[in-house]
Amino acid sequence: GAVVSQHPSRVICKSGTSVKIECRSLDFQATTMFWYRQFPKQSLMLMATSNEGSKATYEQGVEKDKFLINHASLTLSTLTVTSAHPEDSSFYICSAAKYGGSYNEQFFGPGTRLTVL
Amino acid sequence: EDQVTQSPEALRLQEGESSSLNCSYTVSGLRGLFWYRQDPGKGPEFLFTLYSAGEEKEKERLKATLTKKESFLHITAPKPEDSATYLCAATTGGFKTIFGAGTRLFVKA
Repeated sequence: GAVVSQHPSRVICKSGTSVKIECRSLDFQATTMFWYRQFPKQSLMLMATSNEGSKATYEQGVEKDKFLINHASLTLSTLTVTSAHPEDSSFYICSAAKYGGSYNEQFFGPGTRLTVL
Repeated sequence: EDQVTQSPEALRLQEGESSSLNCSYTVSGLRGLFWYRQDPGKGPEFLFTLYSAGEEKEKERLKATLTKKESFLHITAPKPEDSATYLCAATTGGFKTIFGAGTRLFVKA
């Protein structure tokens, strides 16, 4: 199998606080993990790509100091939204590419709905 | 500029009414064309990968095909449970994956 989990599934926080989202590959080791955000009725926008043990590569326009990514092991990556504001409210989805598998094939987590009040 | 465009934005079908979803792509050095299904409030679920023009893959009522410029997802005799958003994505030569905006499929019993 290729199961990816995310925690939490939903989070509501106050403006100015930080929120951490975990992404885990449950039954495989992930060479690379990806973080996306998705606005209602829109497609997935890649935010950053992370490889275990190295710094994440951020897409243009994504603030690396605001969206901190840590890829601590081959099965865990975390996204921390620092000093969250209402405009950060979105659906955040992670995906993972299997170690030893095709880089191209990504397995997605169920997503995390972030609401910033 | 690398681009993936899906059409139509939304498609309403009667149960049993077959149809096709389109994904047009313009990418440099295509490494793979992917189809995903996404239900509301959930992450995308992998359906197919196509690597070269002429390739076809099938799974139950779904069949994906690929040409040098576009991919089609054919749905044969759809059922209400096939209702979802279908996403197309292309991975470029630079290993960047670009998603289309999706087609929202509604199948009425």
